Amino acid sequence: DTEVTQTPKHLVMGMTNKKSLKCEQHMGHRAMYWYKQKAKKPPELMFVYSYEKLSINESVPSRFSPECPNSSLLNLHLHALQPEDSALYLCASSQDSPNQPQHFGDGTRLSIL
Amino acid sequence: SQQGEEDPQALSIQEGENATMNCSYKTSINNLQWYRQNSGRGLVHLILIRSNEREKHSGRLRVTLDTSKKSSSLLITASRAADTASYFCATPPNRDDKIIFGKGTRLHILP
Repeated sequence: DTEVTQTPKHLVMGMTNKKSLKCEQHMGHRAMYWYKQKAKKPPELMFVYSYEKLSINESVPSRFSPECPNSSLLNLHLHALQPEDSALYLCASSQDSPNQPQHFGDGTRLSIL
Repeated sequence: SQQGEEDPQALSIQEGENATMNCSYKTSINNLQWYRQNSGRGLVHLILIRSNEREKHSGRLRVTLDTSKKSSSLLITASRAADTASYFCATPPNRDDKIIFGKGTRLHILP
C-alpha cells in the first residue's frame, strides 16, 4: 500500500467529457507533483505545488488544470482531452522540495476515446 | 531534455546474480536519487546519495556517485525475482525546483 492515494485507478473518457483526478496524502508533505507517464518511458513532470501554490507548470496544455484545495489534496481537472493524452498519471509528494525523496501514488490509468 | 541517461536500457540476469545499472547526467546536482517501478505501479524511492558522498549502501543496494564524471551506478546484489522492475535515476538540478528522471533500465530476473 502506498501513502499517496490516487483515485480513480482507471478512467475512460471521451474527448468532450470533463473529469477530475484526485490525489491525497497525510504525511504532512508540503510539495506535491503531477506527472504523466507513457508506456516504457520515464515520468514527465507536469506541475509542482509548493505550500499549496503552483510553482512550476511545465508548459502543459490548458486542457489540464491543477488545483490544490489544501495541503493534503491535489486535483487535476481534465477537459477536452486528445487521444495522445492517454497515459498513466502519477501524483507524488515530498517533504517540501524535490531535493527530498518523493512518495508516489499508483497512478490513474487514463484512456481517451 | 533528459537530465539522466540510464545504461543499459534493458537487462536480463539469472536469479542470484548481481545487477549493475549506470546513470549519467548533465548539470551540477544537489543529490541523485534512484527509484524502482513495478509494472502498473507508482515509483518507489530506493536511495538518495548527496553530491558530497561517493558511496552509499542500503540492504542489497549499493550506489556510487562520481561527480567529476557526472555518473552514478546502482548495484543490486543477490538478485531475486521480486527485483524485476524498471529502475530510474533522478536528479534535482541546482537552483531548480523539480526533479528530472532518466530513461530507465528495465531489469528482468530469470528464475
